[in-house]
Amino acid sequence: EVQLVESGGGLVQPGGSLRLSCAASGFTYSNYRMTWVRQAPGKGLEWVSYISSSSSTMYYADSVKGRFTISRDNAKDSLFLQMNSLRADDTAVYYCAREGFGESHVDVWGRGTTVTVSS
Amino acid sequence: QLVLTQSPSASASLGASVKLTCTLSSGHSSFAIAWHQRQSEKGPRFLMKVNSDGSHNKGDGIPDRFSGSSSGAERYLAISSLQSEDEADYYCQTWGTGIRVFGGGTKLTVL
Repeated sequence: EVQLVESGGGLVQPGGSLRLSCAASGFTYSNYRMTWVRQAPGKGLEWVSYISSSSSTMYYADSVKGRFTISRDNAKDSLFLQMNSLRADDTAVYYCAREGFGESHVDVWGRGTTVTVSS
Repeated sequence: QLVLTQSPSASASLGASVKLTCTLSSGHSSFAIAWHQRQSEKGPRFLMKVNSDGSHNKGDGIPDRFSGSSSGAERYLAISSLQSEDEADYYCQTWGTGIRVFGGGTKLTVL
């Protein structure tokens, strides 16, 4: 079964840091591009960041550029999101997502991990 | 600027049909989109990709009640024989070089 399981969410103070992880299973992880998407309370889905299968290319939404860093470890079938200088408006459920093979849209979603930025 | 526009809400009766719309911004009418469903308290689920010619490719296990189509800059998601579990938020997604974009979502209420 294809599965993505996020972890690392929690409560953090404004200005703090957090590192999210995503464990992939059930598919050849190294062949797929991956992305992070978030959903703030009462809001819609917002794309956060993208990484190519070989880590050669990364993209970021303007709202997180310079503060968040996406990375992956293909040997461990894992995806990461290092979040620094966190702000209250970063509070959201963060989803790890796979892009379809040869595609640019998400075809598999994780269940999400909750990040709360508050003092 | 690549933007997707969706109506905030829609409603239809149990057993009826509904058609949700996602509109691409000016200059992007040839773009494909993907539809995703997010049921309450669950993670999102990929439904299908809809191309500009109206062809669509559904995700694994998506019922035949769900279909996609296109007209100009509009992309549609049609759901027939509505069931209670279809009550959810529906999001469209598109992409360009260096960017991924989601629409604001449509909350579908099944009456």
